[in-house]
Amino acid sequence: DTAVSQTPKYLVTQMGNDKSIKCEQNLGHDTMYWYKQDSKKFLKIMFSYNNKELIINETVPNRFSPKSPDKAHLNLHINSLELGDSAVYFCASSLPSGRKDTQYFGPGTRLTVL
Amino acid sequence: AQKITQTQPGMFVQEKEAVTLDCTYDTSDPSYGLFWYKQPSSGEMIFLIYQGSYDQQNATEGRYSLNFQKARKSANLVISASQLGDSAMYFCAMRVGYSGAGSYQLTFGKGTKLSVIP
Repeated sequence: DTAVSQTPKYLVTQMGNDKSIKCEQNLGHDTMYWYKQDSKKFLKIMFSYNNKELIINETVPNRFSPKSPDKAHLNLHINSLELGDSAVYFCASSLPSGRKDTQYFGPGTRLTVL
Repeated sequence: AQKITQTQPGMFVQEKEAVTLDCTYDTSDPSYGLFWYKQPSSGEMIFLIYQGSYDQQNATEGRYSLNFQKARKSANLVISASQLGDSAMYFCAMRVGYSGAGSYQLTFGKGTKLSVIP
């Protein structure tokens, strides 16, 4: 009964490659997010989607493109991978605004670019 | 701009004792939410506790409580009766406003690494 799941958990690839990370949530939430955690453990939001619509789009290289086929899925595609893209990427989801619209996170995907 | 400060990079606590992890925040918006997350060495982010800016009482969830001092802009996490499994990174985060359609940004602090000593 996984709430927010991500695949793969680990991703090792060469510079210049294109890769995707998939995220699915079974919580019935309308909003999904991508966060990046760098090597110093600092977490920063990248994107958010609500019901397949892009809402938040932080200053992220346009090599990163989120895609939401439906409100339960939010995938992250990265083109032309660079060494600096190595990080842990977290997907999260939340209900629409309310008192306790907590964001619930997936297990993370550790991306290593060689 | 919103900011979260966690001044303790690392903390040690004896098993079964209580520990307080500090968090101060900065925002001029009167409406905000404060969250604490735990990240064990396995890497996942686990939600612990939430406090809304208009909540009159401090939030509690089992062994976790949030010491909310609005005038001081602090939201410290108190863990009672520490257990070995509490060893982890702990992140304080803040939500200020909504970006639209229920989306909101969480601004995170740099985290505190808690080590529980047997």
